Amino acid sequence: QKEVEQNSGPLSVPEGAIASLNCTYSDRGSQSFFWYRQYSGKSPELIMSIYSNGDKEDGRFTAQLNKASQYVSLLIRDSQPSDSATYLCAVNQAGTALIFGKGTTLSVSS
Amino acid sequence: ETGVTQSPTHLIKTRGQQVTLRCSSQSGHNTVSWYQQALGQGPQFIFQYYREEENGRGNFPPRFSGLQFPNYSSELNVNALELDDSALYLCASSFEGGKYEQYFGPGTRLTVT
Repeated sequence: QKEVEQNSGPLSVPEGAIASLNCTYSDRGSQSFFWYRQYSGKSPELIMSIYSNGDKEDGRFTAQLNKASQYVSLLIRDSQPSDSATYLCAVNQAGTALIFGKGTTLSVSS
Repeated sequence: ETGVTQSPTHLIKTRGQQVTLRCSSQSGHNTVSWYQQALGQGPQFIFQYYREEENGRGNFPPRFSGLQFPNYSSELNVNALELDDSALYLCASSFEGGKYEQYFGPGTRLTVT
């Protein structure tokens, strides 16, 4: 059973702090990795994709991938109350399905 | 550029009935994937359609079936509805299969009573 694991949270950070979200996956053959943001009652929104080891930065977001450790993370700098949402880690399996974790709930307090 | 659209937004059905959900893919995308998301869970892969053929299927029974049309839009059909089928059904479009970014539509909330 190929799995993606995330801490469910909630992760609480003050406004302006760095939020760190983590994800591990079991399928060593996975090739592509994604972070989605999902607001309550809404559909998932793609915020980051990463395909190779290392860091990828986009604005306040940085995705980090370590294939040897089967570990993906998302850092959110200068967290804002509008970042409060559930963050879903997804791993592509066999070029078709996305396998999702259960999501980490982030709460940013002002 | 037009995003992914889904219809209807909400649906209430009775156990045993059949339902059809519809999805239009994002402009330029030729692949549609369907996911089921129960409350408090991550989306679960149902199946994917690429070039009008099923291109992968998750652990869902045969009463979940689908179609993709020449314009890349897609339908999800569920027969013999069960109470556990109550969920948010998400359609995601992508280019050339699913290994690249998949973009979700707004979803259809299905309630089975």
